[in-house]
Amino acid sequence: EAGVTQFPSHSVIEKGQTVTLRCDPISGHDNLYWYRRVMGKEIKFLLHFVKESKQDESGMPNNRFLAERTGGTYSTLKVQPAELEDSGVYFCASSQELGNEQYFGPGTRLTVT
Amino acid sequence: EDQVTQSPEALRLQEGESSSLNCSYTVSGLRGLFWYRQDPGKGPEFLFTLYSAGEEKEKERLKATLTKKESFLHITAPKPEDSATYLCAVQVTNSKLTFGKGITLSVRP
Repeated sequence: EAGVTQFPSHSVIEKGQTVTLRCDPISGHDNLYWYRRVMGKEIKFLLHFVKESKQDESGMPNNRFLAERTGGTYSTLKVQPAELEDSGVYFCASSQELGNEQYFGPGTRLTVT
Repeated sequence: EDQVTQSPEALRLQEGESSSLNCSYTVSGLRGLFWYRQDPGKGPEFLFTLYSAGEEKEKERLKATLTKKESFLHITAPKPEDSATYLCAVQVTNSKLTFGKGITLSVRP
């Protein structure tokens, strides 16, 4: 069974540019989560999809971040315009049922210069 | 606000030297406590879920336990391949995980 995949693995962009991260969850997992780890800090929750619906977006830092999950399959996280403090590793996770263990992807390392 | 504190921040062991990693938590209502292992450059890898005080789970050299205020990850006779960062996370709702900063374990041969 294929795990959670993320693309790209690394992205370096300049302040003010736009970046789109993609996550493909484990097949059949309705629940998809985005998390972020900023250097020196713990992994923090951004948002949770159940199928194509946003269940909880309490962790989204501001309106420069837009997450979508069209058709309830893969998800994208767009940052526009990017700021220096957006640098970090963005993880995606998925789970089959609510409350079950979440399986994480390898992450996308975003560097904003 | 839910809080998770892991200690120590880093731990260096000799191969075969057993030890325990601590995860203390303060939450409004625990639904589950999760342990993950993370290797450099990779995403967290699921190890265990504990749901109620007194519960224990084992996998190879690892054993996780849970009380009402903390969880321990016991490592028995560790090997160099057990070197990694171990993350503890709590779940209060059916949604997000709240993570601690992690414990970096280094096992010397």
